[in-house]
Amino acid sequence: QVQLVESGGGVVQPGGSLRLSCAASGFTFSNYGMHWVRQAPGTGLEWVALIWYDGSKKYYTESVKGRFTISRDSSKNTLYLQMNSLRAEDTAVYYCARGYSGCLDCWGQGTLVTVSS
Amino acid sequence: QSALTQPPSASGSPGQSVTISCTGTSSDVGGYNSVSWYQHHPGKAPKLMIYDVNKRPSGVPDRFSGSKSGNTASLTVSGLQAEDEADFYCSSYAASNNFVFGTGTKVTVL
Repeated sequence: QVQLVESGGGVVQPGGSLRLSCAASGFTFSNYGMHWVRQAPGTGLEWVALIWYDGSKKYYTESVKGRFTISRDSSKNTLYLQMNSLRAEDTAVYYCARGYSGCLDCWGQGTLVTVSS
Repeated sequence: QSALTQPPSASGSPGQSVTISCTGTSSDVGGYNSVSWYQHHPGKAPKLMIYDVNKRPSGVPDRFSGSKSGNTASLTVSGLQAEDEADFYCSSYAASNNFVFGTGTKVTVL
C-alpha cells in the first residue's frame, strides 16, 4: 500500500536551516508529482510547494519563495524540503503528499518543525 | 493567494446530513474543476474524500458527496456517523501550479 513517512523535523533557531525528508513506498515514485503542506498550531492546512514527477518544475507559495527548496531523488524514492532562513511563522507540522488529478491523494503523518530561540 | 472560506463549525445528530461550503473566487474554485475535500483527524494523516468536485476515491463511502456552483463548492455528509467527527478542508487548484486550502470546518456529531 502507499506509504509516505516524513522525518527531519525538530527545534531550530530563527534564521536556521532544516531539511525534511519524505520516504515513499508502495507506488512508482517517479510517476507522480509531490507536494509539501503545513499546518501551523491552531490553524488550517497551507500548501507549501509542488515538484513535478520528473523534478523539472517546482512551485512555491509566496511566503517561502527564496527560502525553501523542494527536490526529489527517484533513486531513493525520497522527497525533500530544504528550509533556510527559518522564521517563527514557519513553525508547523509539515506533511508530504502525492499529487493526483489536481488533488493530493495520499498523505504522510507529518513531522513537526519548531522555530524558536 | 487567500485561503478559501469555510464555516468554522458544523454539526448534526447521527443519521442527519451536514453540508459544508467552500467559497473562493473565479481564480480558483470558480475557474477550475479541481476542487477536493479532505478529512483530518488531529494527529493523523489527512484523507482525501472528494476530488474533481464530485468524485469519490475508492473506499470512501457514498455518504460523502461534492458539488460546485460558481465560486462556491460544497461537501455533504449524509447519514452522519460518530466516526465522521473531524476537521474538513476544501482545496482548489489556483493557476500556475499553485494550490489553496480552505480555512477548515470542524464537524461535530451531536
